[in-house]
Amino acid sequence: DAGVIQSPRHEVTEMGQEVTLRCKPISGHNSLFWYRQTMMRGLELLIYFNNNVPIDDSGMPEDRFSAKMPNASFSTLKIQPSEPRDSAVYFCASSLLAVGTEAFFGQGTRLTVV
Amino acid sequence: AQKVTQAQTEISVVEKEDVTLDCVYETRDTTYYLFWYKQPPSGELVFLIRRNSFDEQNEISGRYSWNFQKSTSSFNFTITASQVVDSAVYFCALSEASTGNQFYFGTGTSLTVIP
Repeated sequence: DAGVIQSPRHEVTEMGQEVTLRCKPISGHNSLFWYRQTMMRGLELLIYFNNNVPIDDSGMPEDRFSAKMPNASFSTLKIQPSEPRDSAVYFCASSLLAVGTEAFFGQGTRLTVV
Repeated sequence: AQKVTQAQTEISVVEKEDVTLDCVYETRDTTYYLFWYKQPPSGELVFLIRRNSFDEQNEISGRYSWNFQKSTSSFNFTITASQVVDSAVYFCALSEASTGNQFYFGTGTSLTVIP
């Protein structure tokens, strides 16, 4: 299997612009997670989906952030408008929907907002 | 409250030394799972191991070993005869039966192996 695929790998955008990050989970996995990693705050869970339904979005920092999962093989994380403090590495991960199963991570999207 | 604590922020060892990375967790669940992940300089997070709360047997995989002790709520990771390729950030994580498949990650330990 190809693993979790994220795109783009790198994104540089100007403050105020809309940014969309994309994720394709591992086929057959029905849980999907979005994390943000920064030096200051480490790995933060932003939101996760089970069977395409958002379960917990309490980690989404502001209304500027939104996530969707229209089907089992695709998810997006959108930031609008973007701000310099959104600069981070954003990871998508997927797992089977079963307690105790490991999550597999994509290679991340490094976002820089200037 | 932090559910997973990795008190060691950074560790440096000389190649071939053994090194132990500490992980202390906190949960009220009787059923829970512990994980270790490795994040090499290339950036991706790589799954290393999973243990469930009912299995305290230590595990060894090559130069890696894990010591799970419920009495001290610890799940420590030892690398024997460290190599430069072991240089990475290592994360410990917890998931609880009561909170579904949500993962709680520690802040990570950055390991540098000096040749």
